[in-house]
Amino acid sequence: GAVVSQHPSWVICKSGTSVKIECRSLDFQATTMFWYRQFPKQSLMLMATSNEGSKATYEQGVEKDKFLINHASLTLSTLTVTSAHPEDSSFYICSARDQGDRDYYEQYFGPGTRLTVT
Amino acid sequence: GQNIDQPTEMTATEGAIVQINCTYQTSGFNGLFWYQQHAGEAPTFLSYNVLDGLEEKGRFSSFLSRSKGYSYLLLKELQMKDSASYLCAVTDSNYQLIWGAGTKLIIKP
Repeated sequence: GAVVSQHPSWVICKSGTSVKIECRSLDFQATTMFWYRQFPKQSLMLMATSNEGSKATYEQGVEKDKFLINHASLTLSTLTVTSAHPEDSSFYICSARDQGDRDYYEQYFGPGTRLTVT
Repeated sequence: GQNIDQPTEMTATEGAIVQINCTYQTSGFNGLFWYQQHAGEAPTFLSYNVLDGLEEKGRFSSFLSRSKGYSYLLLKELQMKDSASYLCAVTDSNYQLIWGAGTKLIIKP
């Protein structure tokens, strides 16, 4: 099956610094990737849809200047949390959409990145 | 608006059967997914339904009724490792995934 990797798997940073998270589709090309965040005991919250070669589409309430998304190639999307604060501490998960030889799209998830801002 | 409802939490006994329901109201429908998510991990794909009926895959089965906006995930011969959250998600007319809040399934010995 399709594999999506995420790096780093966990990161601790100081308040005010920026953190970049990478999401890669390893064995398929993904024109569309998604970024989610998940707080403990809550469901996934879609932050933005990342389309290769164009600007990301952000969900309502998500600050695009704070969460910078770049999808410069068909296998890589990055999320940069700028000027991180403790309330940004969360589990960030990316997914990549692939149709393959099916008649539907399936989302493959990366393993997630646990961000802790101190 | 778009809405997906599933129970917050369910408890079942090892070896038993449990059914997790999901009802949805979305703008368009292009399929319904069930994902399993263990604590601290990313979701993993379980099943996909786009036509009415039952899809069986080993111990897990998923049912869909498009006219009723209803699906269920059936887990048989429950094992302790099945303790996880089960997420229902619907693909809308724009092929965006709309997620339910998830059902936390607790398996007791």
